[in-house]
Amino acid sequence: DGGITQSPKYLFRKEGQNVTLSCEQNLNHDAMYWYRQDPGQGLRLIYYSQIVNDFQKGDIAEGYSVSREKKESFPLTVTSAQKNPTAFYLCASSQAEWGISYGYTFGSGTRLTVV
Amino acid sequence: SQKIEQNSEALNIQEGKTATLTCNYTNYSPAYLQWYRQDPGRGPVFLLLIRENEKEKRKERLKVTFDTTLKQSLFHITASQPADSATYLCAGSNSGYSTLTFGKGTMLLVSP
Repeated sequence: DGGITQSPKYLFRKEGQNVTLSCEQNLNHDAMYWYRQDPGQGLRLIYYSQIVNDFQKGDIAEGYSVSREKKESFPLTVTSAQKNPTAFYLCASSQAEWGISYGYTFGSGTRLTVV
Repeated sequence: SQKIEQNSEALNIQEGKTATLTCNYTNYSPAYLQWYRQDPGRGPVFLLLIRENEKEKRKERLKVTFDTTLKQSLFHITASQPADSATYLCAGSNSGYSTLTFGKGTMLLVSP
């Protein structure tokens, strides 16, 4: 079945540690996205990529980094510079031009907690 | 900054009734609006997309409208069922190549 796989489902980070969240898709989608969701908040865009080896900052990119070396993969690193990383992280993908009614396909999310 | 606003209060309705959720946008004019369903601890699931030149879109028990004069989209679920209980997210985009701006979502609770 085609879809997006995020791992791990739960992740615990110590203060000052970098952690990497995995996102893999087998939908042959060109574009991939990382969103952060906090309780009572809407999804906020961290980074996005519309093509391999290229990515752009979203609204809250500070303290995060990404890479897009393969079409299928878009890992997110939460660095020690991110002061409040505890949140639910969602990865999504779409056709580069989704105006033909496809929308975004989301993964099941990674819940990151600072301990 | 551009905003998508949804009613933060949960909507409680009885099974069989029509649920109507509201999405308002400010400081921009999205060319597309999308609606998603999100269950607790899960990723959102795409439901419907409507373009600014479309007044209404339907899919089974779902209907969405787009009123550019009122800067509003309405999302209707007819003959609602307890299984429809979830949070519904509205999202807007300027074009098919742009990223989505999401609202905070409205929780729908359908009681038997």
